[in-house]
Amino acid sequence: DARVTQTPRHKVTEMGQEVTMRCQPILGHNTVFWYRQTMMQGLELLAYFRNRAPLDDSGMPKDRFSAEMPDATLATLKIQPSEPRDSAVYFCASGLTRGHQPQHFGDGTRLSIL
Amino acid sequence: SQQGEEDPQALSIQEGENATMNCSYKTSINNLQWYRQNSGRGLVHLILIRSNEREKHSGRLRVTLDTSKKSSSLLITASRAADTASYFCATLGIGNEKLTFGTGTRLTIIP
Repeated sequence: DARVTQTPRHKVTEMGQEVTMRCQPILGHNTVFWYRQTMMQGLELLAYFRNRAPLDDSGMPKDRFSAEMPDATLATLKIQPSEPRDSAVYFCASGLTRGHQPQHFGDGTRLSIL
Repeated sequence: SQQGEEDPQALSIQEGENATMNCSYKTSINNLQWYRQNSGRGLVHLILIRSNEREKHSGRLRVTLDTSKKSSSLLITASRAADTASYFCATLGIGNEKLTFGTGTRLTIIP
C-alpha cells in the first residue's frame, strides 16, 4: 500500500529554534497539502501545492512559516523561530489533481515547543 | 475556519449496535467526504458523496446527503471495537479546491 511518509514523527524543542518537517507524498500524486491539528482549532489547512508550485498559503503565518517542494518526492514545512503556540500535530496529505479526489494523509509530526 | 459541525461530539455504543453521526455545513458544496482518524494516526478517507447524490454505501458504511438542509449523516452498522476512532466530515465548496473539515465525532465502541 502506497503511503504518505512524514518525518520526524515527534519533535520537542525550545522556543526560538528552527523546526523542519518533511513529507514524502505518494508517488504520482501531484497535489500536496499541509494541515495543522489542535484541540482548539481542529484541522486547519496551512498551504498546498500542485505540481510542486504553491497555490495557496493563506492559512500559514507568513512571518515564521514557510513551505516548499524542492522536488516531487519531498515537501517541507519550516518554522523559524518557533513559538509555544506552534505546538500541534502537523499533517501532510497528497492527492491527484483536484479536490474531488480523496486525500491521503501521513501519520503526522507531533510538535511540542517548550 | 471550519465549515462542518459534527454531532454528537462524542458517542459510546455497545459492539454490534449501529452508530450514526451527523454533519452540518454552511455553503454549497461540490462533494462531501468522510474520514476516520485513529488515535495518533493520520486521517483515512472512507467515502465520498457528490452533491447530486443522496445516498451511498460502502461495506458497513452508509452516507446520506441532504443539500437542502446542508447536512449529511454517516451510519456504521454492526459496529466493531476496531471502529473506535474520530470521524470527520469534509466539504469541497463549489469552485474551491480546498477541503474544509468539521470538528469531528469521537466514537467509542464498548466490547
